[in-house]
Amino acid sequence: EPEVTQTPSHQVTQMGQEVILRCVPISNHLYFYWYRQILGQKVEFLVSFYNNEISEKSEIFDDQFSVERPDGSNFTLKIRSTKLEDSAMYFCASSGLNDPRGTDTQYFGPGTRLTVL
Amino acid sequence: GENVEQHPSTLSVQEGDSAVIKCTYSDSASNYFPWYKQELGKGPQLIIDIRSNVGEKKDQRIAVTLNKTAKHFSLHITETQPEDSAVYFCAAGYGQNFVFGPGTRLSVLP
Repeated sequence: EPEVTQTPSHQVTQMGQEVILRCVPISNHLYFYWYRQILGQKVEFLVSFYNNEISEKSEIFDDQFSVERPDGSNFTLKIRSTKLEDSAMYFCASSGLNDPRGTDTQYFGPGTRLTVL
Repeated sequence: GENVEQHPSTLSVQEGDSAVIKCTYSDSASNYFPWYKQELGKGPQLIIDIRSNVGEKKDQRIAVTLNKTAKHFSLHITETQPEDSAVYFCAAGYGQNFVFGPGTRLSVLP
């Protein structure tokens, strides 16, 4: 079964540094998402992306965050100047028009654990 | 915006018993209600979903019910097994956007 993949699995960075989290969505999917989960808390929506532009973003997704689809397969989340409170699991998800379970069914990757020191 | 509440926050059951997790949502426009299972160190995995034109859906030991009038939906797991132990999240929304509930940690005791 196709799956969403994410790299790296764990990223450690110093406060103020830039990080780029990478995702490879399911190949025929057209909608891409980033979510965040602070340890022990619920999954929070960050941003959705379709047709090379942001569809929707949450209050969490401020100017420090950006997303990009640099090529036909990767989808990235960049945090320009990391803060301690950015430490969390970051999940990428994708959904597709022709998915047998429906266009709105989102499939999640395994996540990247970001630790900001 | 949408607000999703979920109860209980933790649930322990004996192997073979049933488990029920309940969620409520606030936005009457929501029409898609997925349930995700998250095992330790892994991403959420979709286990079942229901849309607003259906009141109940079943997949083997898992069933979900939806009451749109009352704005609540529930997950039912029958004949629980130790491998069902995980955190379960409900979500509600429409289109490509949905909001997760806070999660229920289910422990199935052998």
